[in-house]
Order: sequence, then structure tokens, then C-alpha cells
Amino acid sequence: QSALTQPRSVSGSPGQSVTISCTGTGADIGSYNYVSWYQHHPGKAPKLIIYDVNKRPSGVPDRFSGSKSGITASLTISGLQTDDEADYYCYSYAGSNTGVFGTGAKVTVL
Amino acid sequence: EVQLVESGGGLVQPGRSLRLSCTASGFSFDDYAMHWVRQRPGKGLEWVSGVIWNSVHIGYADSVKGRFTISRDNARNSLYLQMDSLSPEDTALYFCVRDPTVTGVGRLDLWGQGTLVTVSS
Repeated sequence: QSALTQPRSVSGSPGQSVTISCTGTGADIGSYNYVSWYQHHPGKAPKLIIYDVNKRPSGVPDRFSGSKSGITASLTISGLQTDDEADYYCYSYAGSNTGVFGTGAKVTVL
Repeated sequence: EVQLVESGGGLVQPGRSLRLSCTASGFSFDDYAMHWVRQRPGKGLEWVSGVIWNSVHIGYADSVKGRFTISRDNARNSLYLQMDSLSPEDTALYFCVRDPTVTGVGRLDLWGQGTLVTVSS
């Protein structure tokens, strides 16, 4: 159950797009389409923004999109806004009723 | 109001035990899998344990297996985490989290505010 690997930080200017990668193994991301993404503003509860690789909960803007290829999942934020500045975590089901989070990526809006 | 409220955190000495509780309101608790997730100071999120709606399937992170026990009481709309043999590495903010999937595969759609556990002598 090693943490999924994410870049430590990602940055972009308002209006630009940024992509956060999340690399796992064949035992987690590579085996299941149960990848989700969470936005976490410090001091607040994390928020689900993508589930099942590429589905958005109601209320989440379509600026947020997810994808997966092999053992790597990705989150893309288009039309970057100042409020998007937060920590982002990926999560994958890892079999045998277990799960694993990514190491987390800090998004900075320049 | 749909919410999860954790309680039971506090300061505890290494080697001792603590029991966390989570009370759900505003939704049908027994329709959901539930998880505990923690965040150590200055660190990222870590999945700790999960249980499906009827407690038939339960899972633990390797870091807590054999020391922590998750349970739920659907009649009381409550989730619990019994933490034994605590070590300073268990110091963290513990979140109670809802998962609407039948198999508990991790669509963590509602989070509590967390309860802080500090393990120190």
C-alpha cells in the first residue's frame, strides 16, 4: 500500500490549464477504474471533484476533468481560477477492501 | 442537515487506546459504506480503514492492521474506530467519510471536519 505518486506542486496563470498526474501500480490504478480526486483547502474538509476516473459529482464545474491510461491517472483543471489554489489528492481502490491516496499536489495560481 | 460529526479525539500516551466515534445525520446511514481517513501534521491524506454497509467487508491500511478496529452501528447511525497500541506516528486529524458505493471502492463524497488525536507522553 505505497502512496500513489503525484508531483509536489503545479502552477499556472488564471485562465490556463494545468494537469496533475497520479502514478500507481498494476495493483491499484492499473486494475480498477475506481480513481477519484479531491480538492483540499487547508482547514476545510476535502471535496470530491472526480470519481470513477472521469465522472463529476453534481455541482462540480466541467473545468475539472479526469482520465486514466495504464497505471497513471490525471486531473486537468481548465480555465484556472484563483479559488482553484488548493491541495489535490488522487485516490484509488487497491483491492481487498483497501484504498490508497496520492502524495498530494499543491496547485498555485500565479 | 446532511453531516458527519466526529468525536473522541484527544491527547493519549503511547501504548494506550482511544475510541473515535462518528455520528451521521440527514441521510440513510445504512445505505453507505464508510471510511476513516487521517492526515498527519504537515502531511497528506492517508486512507485508514473502510467498512461496507452491512460490515461484511472491512479493510485496513497496513500501517494500522492489527491495532485498529472499525465498526458501525446502523441503528445508532454511528461509525467507530477503536485504536489500540497507539504510537506517536498515529498523531493525526482523523476524518469520518461517506462512500455511496455498495462495495466501498472509494467515492468519498461527504467528509466530517475531523477529530484530532495526539499521541505523546
